[in-house]
Amino acid sequence: GENVEQHPSTLSVQEGDSAVIKCTYSDSASNYFPWYKQELGKRPQLIIDIRSNVGEKKDQRIAVTLNKTAKHFSLHITETQPEDSAVYFCAASTRTNAGKSTFGDGTTLTVKP
Amino acid sequence: SAVISQKPSRDICQRGTSLTIQCQVDSQVTMMFWYRQQPGQSLTLIATANQGSEATYESGFVIDKFPISRPNLTFSTLTVSNMSPEDSSIYLCSVTGQTDTQYFGPGTRLTVL
Repeated sequence: GENVEQHPSTLSVQEGDSAVIKCTYSDSASNYFPWYKQELGKRPQLIIDIRSNVGEKKDQRIAVTLNKTAKHFSLHITETQPEDSAVYFCAASTRTNAGKSTFGDGTTLTVKP
Repeated sequence: SAVISQKPSRDICQRGTSLTIQCQVDSQVTMMFWYRQQPGQSLTLIATANQGSEATYESGFVIDKFPISRPNLTFSTLTVSNMSPEDSSIYLCSVTGQTDTQYFGPGTRLTVL
């Protein structure tokens, strides 16, 4: 089955700096890669996703890159703000079965004011 | 986006008892899933809830322990049977619709004493 590894497990940055979280996956059949933000006591919320037919996607301060050959994808957050502090999860699945996701272990991001 | 509700939101149970968690979606969805999130950890898929038939369980999860029903397109239940303290977790319902976007319910926080 699919195996997703996520690094780092914790990340602390100063407000305004950039944050990068990286994930690798093992199953070459995976073609859908969402990122979720989970605040304390809340449900995971989709913040951005990328499909295997593109290499990069951007939404305001958030971007995701995908390297299918190397089987890794990354989340980039620029101009970080204290409200970006949360646990971020990457996931991998196939588009035809997107809900059957394998999640990374999560990254706890702390943005210091 | 789909609006998902779960009942109960939290419960404290005695070991050896069972708890049934309900998931209700406000619109017809293609797929429904149940995930578990143990304290401080990532999300693990328990099973896919199939309408009108037996659920499809992931490795490590069995029907006797986690019976699941899905009588229609908008409702599903997960029962945690013969509970032990190791079952203390957050249980999350998730859905996908016509697109591959996955939405999560608010979760049910279960504590087993």
